[in-house]
Amino acid sequence: GEEVAQTPKHLVRGEGQKAKLYCAPIKGHSYVFWYQQVLKNEFKFLISFQNENVFDETGMPKERFSAKCLPNSPCSLEIQATKLEDSAVYFCASSQVPGVYEQYFGPGTRLTVT
Amino acid sequence: SQQGEEDPQALSIQEGENATMNCSYKTSINNLQWYRQNSGRGLVHLILIRSNEREKHSGRLRVTLDTSKKSSSLLITASRAADTASYFCATLVRGGSEKLVFGKGTKLTVNP
Repeated sequence: GEEVAQTPKHLVRGEGQKAKLYCAPIKGHSYVFWYQQVLKNEFKFLISFQNENVFDETGMPKERFSAKCLPNSPCSLEIQATKLEDSAVYFCASSQVPGVYEQYFGPGTRLTVT
Repeated sequence: SQQGEEDPQALSIQEGENATMNCSYKTSINNLQWYRQNSGRGLVHLILIRSNEREKHSGRLRVTLDTSKKSSSLLITASRAADTASYFCATLVRGGSEKLVFGKGTKLTVNP
């Protein structure tokens, strides 16, 4: 598609529950990025993929967060045992060649942990 | 961590006026990008300026980049109420991951 698609739009989870977010990048874009935007508008990089390979995972809280981009499937970001502080909007972005072209962002998934 | 710092944090102007937002960053960059975010929505890409460029235009938008001062500015001319949004600069840091490092944003309000 010509837009980055993210599902669901909203997700509510009780503390300790699992949350799984999905992202379909723009067709032909080989790079996928996940960012977290918290209430003060700050964006935090989580993880990036080049095709199905992890490119940079330095932003991931590894003990609870995991992500995958498998061929012919939407990319996913999973949070095991959610905490209140995980409440945020999670954005997925894709790009052809990040150093040359812009990143295109999806509409985001708002996760609320209660 | 946040690299870019936008200035001002909030800006309120009248329709028809120009709006200028500034962004400073700390490390060497490959390129700098400006994004707009309407309330509760996703990010819309506005302009990308490469480290070897000094100025770029797109419609009513003008972006400058001064790598010696590690700063950029976004000028919106003849603003409209529809320009009301938050504007973020984001840098692609040279020599490393392809991730974007965002500033904290400028909230622009254009009053009709």
